[in-house]
Amino acid sequence: EDQVTQSPEALRLQEGESSSLNCSYTVSGLRGLFWYRQDPGKGPEFLFTLYSAGEEKEKERLKATLTKKESFLHITAPKPEDSATYLCAVPPYNTDKLIFGTGTRLQVFP
Amino acid sequence: DGGITQSPKYLFRKEGQNVTLSCEQNLNHDAMYWYRQDPGQGLRLIYYSQIVNDFQKGDIAEGYSVSREKKESFPLTVTSAQKNPTAFYLCASSIQGKAEAFFGQGTRLTVV
Repeated sequence: EDQVTQSPEALRLQEGESSSLNCSYTVSGLRGLFWYRQDPGKGPEFLFTLYSAGEEKEKERLKATLTKKESFLHITAPKPEDSATYLCAVPPYNTDKLIFGTGTRLQVFP
Repeated sequence: DGGITQSPKYLFRKEGQNVTLSCEQNLNHDAMYWYRQDPGQGLRLIYYSQIVNDFQKGDIAEGYSVSREKKESFPLTVTSAQKNPTAFYLCASSIQGKAEAFFGQGTRLTVV
């Protein structure tokens, strides 16, 4: 069964304290893994697409990496404005629908 | 500005009433989707449409209906048959053949 699992469920960091969020997936024939950021009461905002193992993408303090079984979202020296829920999603084989994980709620304190 | 517009932002419904949530996009995307988000759960797919005048049920379609008469529009009706409609509803769109989806800002529906 196609599945996406994210951990941890919640993460509290001090400003400047780097960490990583995990997204494990089980899907036949990966056609991409997507990371989104969601602020409270808002729709998810697209961050990255990763297509193959070994691929990396960066944006400001965020770097996403991909292996054959999981993806990591590394946050370097986070700031309070990085506080949000981070979602990952994959499309099952031969479809454009997305299966989402339950997200990691990140809080960064000054 | 290109994007996806959902309206209203907040919606209150009395039990037994049908309500319709609006979703409009000007990205020229062929595919459109409706997801439901509940606290502690991932986004769950309600309905999706890959082309005008065609749509498919997602994982939780019971109690919902949709139409796709125009490429730009994909309204969702929450019927009285939906047992637990209070949730955050998200509309998304994507280019046909690409799963990379872009989302609207959501509609929060509350049953009173």
